[in-house]
Amino acid sequence: SQQGEEDPQALSIQEGENATMNCSYKTSINNLQWYRQNSGRGLVHLILIRSNEREKHSGRLRVTLDTSKKSSSLLITASRAADTASYFCATGPSGGGADGLTFGKGTHLIIQP
Amino acid sequence: EAQVTQNPRYLITVTGKKLTVTCSQNMNHEYMSWYRQDPGLGLRQIYYSMNVEVTDKGDVPEGYKVSRKEKRNFPLILESPSPNQTSLYFCASSLNGDTQYFGPGTRLTVL
Repeated sequence: SQQGEEDPQALSIQEGENATMNCSYKTSINNLQWYRQNSGRGLVHLILIRSNEREKHSGRLRVTLDTSKKSSSLLITASRAADTASYFCATGPSGGGADGLTFGKGTHLIIQP
Repeated sequence: EAQVTQNPRYLITVTGKKLTVTCSQNMNHEYMSWYRQDPGLGLRQIYYSMNVEVTDKGDVPEGYKVSRKEKRNFPLILESPSPNQTSLYFCASSLNGDTQYFGPGTRLTVL
């Protein structure tokens, strides 16, 4: 199954700065999702972007998708200490369905006050 | 409150002692999945179910069993746990296979 790979593995920035994380994948997808995980807890869905969309916004989050490059980016603007977490991308295959939802290894984001 | 619950949250057991981790969702979701999370490996899908009595293997099914007798419940069964199954386990549900709603996790240690 295809896999999303996040980059960088870890990112440390000052509060108020913007944080950008990237995700690359290998094969055709139906959608790409981003999730957040606070230490040792369950993942929380942030945003879903479909293969026919190029950009999507939700509050301070902006996600882009470039299917030609098989990549996506997650931008968090005006970061806050509470944004400290691990962020995962997950890809759904072109056939759809929960069977093929594959998660990357995550980017660990640290927001320094 | 819409949620996915898992029990137990923490479990320490010994090799070979059968155990079951329960998962329940109250959102009437069709899809349910089990994942394990290990350092450096991210989340890997163990089993998934698209409806009652319909289950299928994910990426790492060896050593695990599941059942889906009711829509709301999706227990994970380890018939003979081994130390390499020490991990953080997550159950998730989804209405249509897209957005996943995760449980709080079960931290399992097999000695």
